[in-house]
Amino acid sequence: QKEVEQNSGPLSVPEGAIASLNCTYSDRGSQSFFWYRQYSGKSPELIMSIYSNGDKEDGRFTAQLNKASQYVSLLIRDSQPSDSATYLCAVRAGKSTFGDGTTLTVKP
Amino acid sequence: DAGVIQSPRHEVTEMGQEVTLRCKPISGHNSLFWYRQTMMRGLELLIYFNNNVPIDDSGMPEDRFSAKMPNASFSTLKIQPSEPRDSAVYFCASIPPGIVDEQFFGPGTRLTVL
Repeated sequence: QKEVEQNSGPLSVPEGAIASLNCTYSDRGSQSFFWYRQYSGKSPELIMSIYSNGDKEDGRFTAQLNKASQYVSLLIRDSQPSDSATYLCAVRAGKSTFGDGTTLTVKP
Repeated sequence: DAGVIQSPRHEVTEMGQEVTLRCKPISGHNSLFWYRQTMMRGLELLIYFNNNVPIDDSGMPEDRFSAKMPNASFSTLKIQPSEPRDSAVYFCASIPPGIVDEQFFGPGTRLTVL
């Protein structure tokens, strides 16, 4: 079992729809959770971080964390073609471990 | 402010050659990370330094890989001898002291070993 698993994708949604990205992790001692966006040929950039159970909203992005279920998700509302990228879930328990990523395509 | 700087951006070499990748973290950042990204294995942490000291090198694949951080503004990742399976994008990232949030990634070095 991988330490951090993401839904395999690719995920395709129409413009304006909600995109839902999911991530599960194995280390119950994990304290910090991150979502990075990576455009093709570029480096990862942080879009959301979350540390406590519940929801955290930032603009069109909402991160959700459930430590009991070892689950973290990212919702993108009103998806735009510019959101098309690979989204990496990262979990920190000491050092950060990244999932393999989910590629999202938003179709105009 | 300049971000994390990596050089070279692209490197093509032949199997058996020595390869040195370089990284300059953001000024004032005291933790530095080296990652490798491939389609097969995703983004893997190779090693990270805190205040120039290697903290965790458990991700370094084998003895052919070595990393140094002689001062706060410079780090190298060396592969000797290189093999085709080392072909990947290598990222360097840094974070400032006391901050547990964002890792600032460099643009990466795309390494191709023929």
